[in-house]
Amino acid sequence: DGGITQSPKYLFRKEGQNVTLSCEQNLNHDAMYWYRQDPGQGLRLIYYSQIVNDFQKGDIAEGYSVSREKKESFPLTVTSAQKNPTAFYLCASSSGMRFRKDSGIVPGELFFGEGSRLTVL
Amino acid sequence: SQQGEEDPQALSIQEGENATMNCSYKTSINNLQWYRQNSGRGLVHLILIRSNEREKHSGRLRVTLDTSKKSSSLLITASRAADTASYFCATAYTNTGNQFYFGTGTSLTVIP
Repeated sequence: DGGITQSPKYLFRKEGQNVTLSCEQNLNHDAMYWYRQDPGQGLRLIYYSQIVNDFQKGDIAEGYSVSREKKESFPLTVTSAQKNPTAFYLCASSSGMRFRKDSGIVPGELFFGEGSRLTVL
Repeated sequence: SQQGEEDPQALSIQEGENATMNCSYKTSINNLQWYRQNSGRGLVHLILIRSNEREKHSGRLRVTLDTSKKSSSLLITASRAADTASYFCATAYTNTGNQFYFGTGTSLTVIP
C-alpha cells in the first residue's frame, strides 16, 4: 500500500546525543515536510523539501538538520544543539502540486506518517 | 508567526449533535485545508477549499470560507463517538510557496 512510514515510533535520547528520525514515502511525491507538535501549539514547520537535493528551513529549524538524497526519503536529525527536543515529530508529503499563473506552484493536500515521539532523558 | 488560530480549543457534545469549529488566518491564501488527528497518531486530510470557493461539502462535513474575514469553519453534522479527535486547519499562503501553516487545533469529544 502507498503511504508514509516513520520510524522509530518511540525514541529516547540522552542529553548531548544526536538522533535521526526516518521518513520514507512511496507516493511518488516531490515535496516532503517535517513538523514538530507540542501540546497546545499545533504543528510547527521544521524543514521542507520540494525536490531531491534541495530543502528549506521552516519556522523552527535551529538544532535540526535534514537531507534529501532520494525522492523517497527525508530523514531528520535532532542535534544536541536543540535545547528542548522532547516532542512528537510528524513527517508529511504533498500531492497535487500544480502551477497557477498568479501564484506559482500551489501545494495540494498533505499525507502524514504516524509520527515519532522523542523523549530526552 | 503565520500560524492560524482555532476556536474553541475544546468542544464537548452529545452524539447526534452538530459540531462547529472555526479557524482564523493571517494573510491571503491559496487554499485552506482541514485535518483530523486521533490521539497519538498522524493527521488525516479531510477537505480542501480553494480561495475562490465559499463552501464545500464532503459527507457529514461542511466547510465554509470567508476571505474578507480571513476565517473558515468546519461543521460536522450528526456527530458520532468515532468523531472524537483533534481538528486542525492548515493554510497555504500565497506568499510562502509550498509551506503549510497549521492552527492550534480544536479538541472534539463526542459523548455516546
